[in-house]
Amino acid sequence: EAAVTQSPRNKVAVTGGKVTLSCNQTNNHNNMYWYRQDTGHGLRLIHYSYGAGSTEKGDIPDGYKASRPSQENFSLILELATPSQTSVYFCASGDASRGPVANSDYTFGSGTRLLVI
Amino acid sequence: GDSVTQTEGQVALSEEDFLTIHCNYSASGYPALFWYVQYPGEGPQFLFRASRDKEKGSSRGFEATYDKGTTSFHLRKASVQESDSAVYYCALGAGGSNAKLTFGKGTKLSVKS
Repeated sequence: EAAVTQSPRNKVAVTGGKVTLSCNQTNNHNNMYWYRQDTGHGLRLIHYSYGAGSTEKGDIPDGYKASRPSQENFSLILELATPSQTSVYFCASGDASRGPVANSDYTFGSGTRLLVI
Repeated sequence: GDSVTQTEGQVALSEEDFLTIHCNYSASGYPALFWYVQYPGEGPQFLFRASRDKEKGSSRGFEATYDKGTTSFHLRKASVQESDSAVYYCALGAGGSNAKLTFGKGTKLSVKS
């Protein structure tokens, strides 16, 4: 079964430190996405990728970088973590080869809960 | 830009009650519309979609009809169960072959037995 795996599941980071959140998918999907989930805001898109080597800015990219070294892996990087980045982060993949609508049947990971102190 | 508005932040029902969660959207062009469900400790899961006016999507007893005239995609279920307790997200996808999803803020459904 297709899967999206995120690591770590939980992370505590110090303000000003560097944090890397990892995502691996076995779906062979071209597209991958990073969202953050906050009460009162729902899911907001941070960065996304159309394939290995590509990254694009989403709706709230400030303070985040992304890296897509391979089809399977997509990382979210916080170079200088701040308490406002405390959140739950979700990675998702979508299959663009099946057309625009089917591409949006995302498969999500189980999330990474990040606390920045 | 594109946006999705879910009117209810929380809904509390008893088993066998009728459910309606309101979803309205704003988008240029002709977006596809989706419902996702998220259970505690998990990521959101695709529930169903509709991609043209008057099309009805459905799954697991839930349904919604794409209404371009009122820009709505309201989620309904005739008889909810305790196991339906979850957060429900309405979303739209627009932008061609690499459409990105824009989500609403979510509605937390609590069903008591």
